[in-house]
Amino acid sequence: QSALTQPASVSGSPGQSITISCTGTSSDVGYYNYVSWYQQHPGKAPKFMIFDVSNRPSGVSNRFVGSKSGNTASLTISGLQAEDEADYYCSSYTTSSTLVFGGGTKVTVL
Amino acid sequence: EVQMVESGGGLVQPGGSLRLSCAASGFTFSSYWMHWVRQAPGKGLVWVSGIKSDGSTTTYADSVRGRFTISRDNAKNTLYLQTNSLRAEDTAVYYCARGGAWYAFDIWGQGTMVTVSS
Repeated sequence: QSALTQPASVSGSPGQSITISCTGTSSDVGYYNYVSWYQQHPGKAPKFMIFDVSNRPSGVSNRFVGSKSGNTASLTISGLQAEDEADYYCSSYTTSSTLVFGGGTKVTVL
Repeated sequence: EVQMVESGGGLVQPGGSLRLSCAASGFTFSSYWMHWVRQAPGKGLVWVSGIKSDGSTTTYADSVRGRFTISRDNAKNTLYLQTNSLRAEDTAVYYCARGGAWYAFDIWGQGTMVTVSS
């Protein structure tokens, strides 16, 4: 159950777009479309942002877009805002009937 | 209001046990998968365990299988995690999370801290 691979940090200026990658294997990200994404501000519980690779729960801004190609899922944040500065985590279901998170990506708004 | 409140954390010696609880309200608890996710200080999220809505299916991360047991009482709207043979590396904030899309965590509690230290 190795963690999914995410970049440690990504940064961008206000208004720009950034993309966070989440690389797994053919036994998790590449096998199922059961990929989800979470945003976590310091000292807070995570917030549900994306499920089923690209679906947004009610109330989540359409500036957050999920996608997947092969064993890599991605989260793109467009129109970057100061409030988007947070840690982001991807998660996937696996063929072992378990769940696995990525190591997390710290997004900095310059 | 939909919410979940964890309790039961604390300081425990290596090899000890704790029973964590998560009291749910504001939704039909018995209709959802429920999960435990932990986060060591300054580290990332790690999925620990999940249980099906009726309690018939449970699943565990390799790191806790055989030591931790997840259970639920749908009559009391409460999720549990029995943690045994605790190790220093189990030190973390433990969150309960609702499986809104069964595998995805749509509602989170505020977490309860478990510290394993002598």
